[in-house]
Amino acid sequence: GENVEQHPSTLSVQEGDSAVIKCTYSDSASNYFPWYKQELGKRPQLIIDIRSNVGEKKDQRIAVTLNKTAKHFSLHITETQPEDSAVYFCAARSNYGGSQGNLIFGKGTKLSVKP
Amino acid sequence: KAGVTQTPRYLIKTRGQQVTLSCSPISGHRSVSWYQQTPGQGLQFLFEYFSETQRNKGNFPGRFSGRQFSNSRSEMNVSTLELGDSALYLCASSLEWGGEAFFGQGTRLTVV
Repeated sequence: GENVEQHPSTLSVQEGDSAVIKCTYSDSASNYFPWYKQELGKRPQLIIDIRSNVGEKKDQRIAVTLNKTAKHFSLHITETQPEDSAVYFCAARSNYGGSQGNLIFGKGTKLSVKP
Repeated sequence: KAGVTQTPRYLIKTRGQQVTLSCSPISGHRSVSWYQQTPGQGLQFLFEYFSETQRNKGNFPGRFSGRQFSNSRSEMNVSTLELGDSALYLCASSLEWGGEAFFGQGTRLTVV
């Protein structure tokens, strides 16, 4: 089955710096890779996602890159702000000839942005 | 459009009891997934339903079960509760099977 590993588990940056979180996956059939942000006491919220036919996707200060050959994908946050402080989860979903696998999540990265 | 609604928000149960949690998906969404979130294990997949059929199942014991109704609402049941079942239970809904997943606020279950 799919296995998703996420690094680092904690990340501390200064406001204005960039933050990068990396995930690797094991199943070459995985074709959908979302990222979720979970603030303390709140629900995980989808912030960006990428499908396997795309190498990079951007949305304002956040971007996701995908390397299918190496089976890894990364979240990039530029010009970080204190409100970016949260736990970020990556996930992967496989597709087996039209049969959808379930989302498998990484264990999360706690990002702290210091003012 | 209302988001994913989970009830109740908080529950305290005693070991050995059973519990039923409810999830109402976003209107029009037909797929519902359930996850257990704990500090040590992160988000672990329980099961996924689409059109009233269980499509995927995680590695949880048979004490954990679920179902989906014709209006796409879903329930999960945990029988013979153990202390280790204390967790935040999250459900997520998707428009279609395999689509973008949107989470509810979760039900915080405490087993004492």
